[in-house]
Amino acid sequence: GQQLNQSPQSMFIQEGEDVSMNCTSSSIFNTWLWYKQDPGEGPVLLIALYKAGELTSNGRLTAQFGITRKDSFLNISASIPSDVGIYFCAGQLRRGADGLTFGKGTHLIIQP
Amino acid sequence: ETGVTQSPTHLIKTRGQQVTLRCSSQSGHNTVSWYQQALGQGPQFIFQYYREEENGRGNFPPRFSGLQFPNYSSELNVNALELDDSALYLCASSLTGNTEAFFGQGTRLTVV
Repeated sequence: GQQLNQSPQSMFIQEGEDVSMNCTSSSIFNTWLWYKQDPGEGPVLLIALYKAGELTSNGRLTAQFGITRKDSFLNISASIPSDVGIYFCAGQLRRGADGLTFGKGTHLIIQP
Repeated sequence: ETGVTQSPTHLIKTRGQQVTLRCSSQSGHNTVSWYQQALGQGPQFIFQYYREEENGRGNFPPRFSGLQFPNYSSELNVNALELDDSALYLCASSLTGNTEAFFGQGTRLTVV
């Protein structure tokens, strides 16, 4: 099945550093979402974006919906140990009507 | 407010057998979707149910089927299990027209 192109695949950073990851698609989406998944758990919604160009923050997290509607990025500022996990982007064409198309994830590892 | 719950948490089946996975949606949510997450991959959309009918399907064969009940809970049935069906199966609930899907912790299915 289709998956979004998510990069980087993994990141090794020091505690306190800022993190940036992005997601691209060959087709447009009208909604972009970012999820975090911890081992043995289901994905947890972090940020939802509904409008091209939209920039949304949730605490230390900031995400943007690309103006072409084919990409999105997520930034995490001042990383802390609990930020460790796998981050997934997901796109949806028809809001609330279609299933979500996910990326392969970015594995974030933080060294204290 | 109760979250999405799935049962069982782990399951081992033999190739060729059939399996039923269950999901209780978050209180007030009327739409349920199912995803398959293979190891190291993002979730893949299987199908979605609203008002007890399937109203969206990903690229999965007919041996993957489902049900939604009047209380919005749902089942995923997989017939003629294959080794490649081994994965984490995730259920997500949402309100129709709302993109924000909330996931359960998943059922880890192993086919041997």
